[in-house]
Amino acid sequence: KNEVEQSPQNLTAQEGEFITINCSYSVGISALHWLQQHPGGGIVSLFMLSSGKKKHGRLIATINIQEKHSSLHITASHPRDSAVYICAVNAGGTSYGKLTFGQGTILTVHP
Amino acid sequence: KAGVTQTPRYLIKTRGQQVTLSCSPISGHRSVSWYQQTPGQGLQFLFEYFSETQRNKGNFPGRFSGRQFSNSRSEMNVSTLELGDSALYLCASRQDQGNTEAFFGQGTRLTVV
Repeated sequence: KNEVEQSPQNLTAQEGEFITINCSYSVGISALHWLQQHPGGGIVSLFMLSSGKKKHGRLIATINIQEKHSSLHITASHPRDSAVYICAVNAGGTSYGKLTFGQGTILTVHP
Repeated sequence: KAGVTQTPRYLIKTRGQQVTLSCSPISGHRSVSWYQQTPGQGLQFLFEYFSETQRNKGNFPGRFSGRQFSNSRSEMNVSTLELGDSALYLCASRQDQGNTEAFFGQGTRLTVV
């Protein structure tokens, strides 16, 4: 079993829909990252969370440390949100730069 | 402020050759981490450098090595290339130790033939 599990693996939505991507992890962490990867490979950091909730525009990320679970929400989805969304964790200590990744969620938003 | 720059963007090498990839972090960032992304294994951690010292190493063979220079630029080297080394290699820079945001480069796509 992977240390970081994401669901769903694939997600198709219509423009305007509310989207949720889930991430569960089995190790102790100091922070959880949500990343976005477009075709071509470049990765953009969306959020870094160690507790609670963060919001940026139409994106909201939450984390429950006790349950070892995080969610990424996209409100009013748009075709430009189509990308791979990746959850990653780091264990802290001397390992802040060592990220362990989920397998990614491929999101396709149709107009 | 310039982002993380990786060079080259694309590379084709023959089995048995060696390759060196470069990563220039954001100015002021002292931590550089390297990752390998393949369709089968996803994203995997290779190693991290901070202030010219390797702080962490992933579970990769000794053919994979790296270093960091005094200006924080980092290189990774893969010797005796194998077909399975074909991948997207990404680096990420962070400002400091501790929980800081990671900024990724565009990656180097290596194809081994």
